[in-house]
Amino acid sequence: QVQLQESGPGLVKPSETLSLICTVSGDSIGSHRWNWIRQPAGKGLEWIANVFDYGGGRWYNPALKSRVTISSDTSKNQISLRLTSVTAADTAVYYCARDVRGDNYGHFDSWGQGILVTVSS
Amino acid sequence: EIVLTQSPGTLSLSPGERATLSCRASQSVNSRFFAWYQQKPAQAPRLLIYGTSNRATGIPDRFSGSGSGTDFTLTISRLEPEDFAVYYCQQHTGTMYTFGQGTNLEIK
Repeated sequence: QVQLQESGPGLVKPSETLSLICTVSGDSIGSHRWNWIRQPAGKGLEWIANVFDYGGGRWYNPALKSRVTISSDTSKNQISLRLTSVTAADTAVYYCARDVRGDNYGHFDSWGQGILVTVSS
Repeated sequence: EIVLTQSPGTLSLSPGERATLSCRASQSVNSRFFAWYQQKPAQAPRLLIYGTSNRATGIPDRFSGSGSGTDFTLTISRLEPEDFAVYYCQQHTGTMYTFGQGTNLEIK
């Protein structure tokens, strides 16, 4: 059974860069699309970006594209997210989630527990 | 970007009742790429329905999904106490995914 675990700093200063890692176990990250999704407290879900094809493919939310970099490390089975120039509006729980490739895709069947990132000085 | 609008924002029902949640898309969505999720407090969302009407692994058959084009529905036939939560719809088109704003299903 696949497991996803987010890790990284829980506090980031305004204007700095948020960096998170998702460690995947029970599946190869080369097999599917791996996504970052965030959720501000009390609000809805926002898809950020995904990576697939062993890092050769990437899709980004146009609203965040200028500040986001997503990458993968197949040797560690990890997905990384970098979000630059953060503000308080980037405070949220960040989730890593899997979109299974195959006949049925386009949805997120497995999620990490999420990591709260607060942007504050 | 396809915007998903869920209604109602809050739905107050009692256990045993039937729940009908709606999601309307600003443009037509391929029904293969439409899903529903359940989220409880302090938990990650859980996939309920994918491909408009397919239940995810382990999801009880009281949950069902339907719809096409711009109008989709999640139905819970008889509410159990554990069903009270927030529900989100989600679509995938092109290189983008979007979610609805959520429906809060609360105990009446």
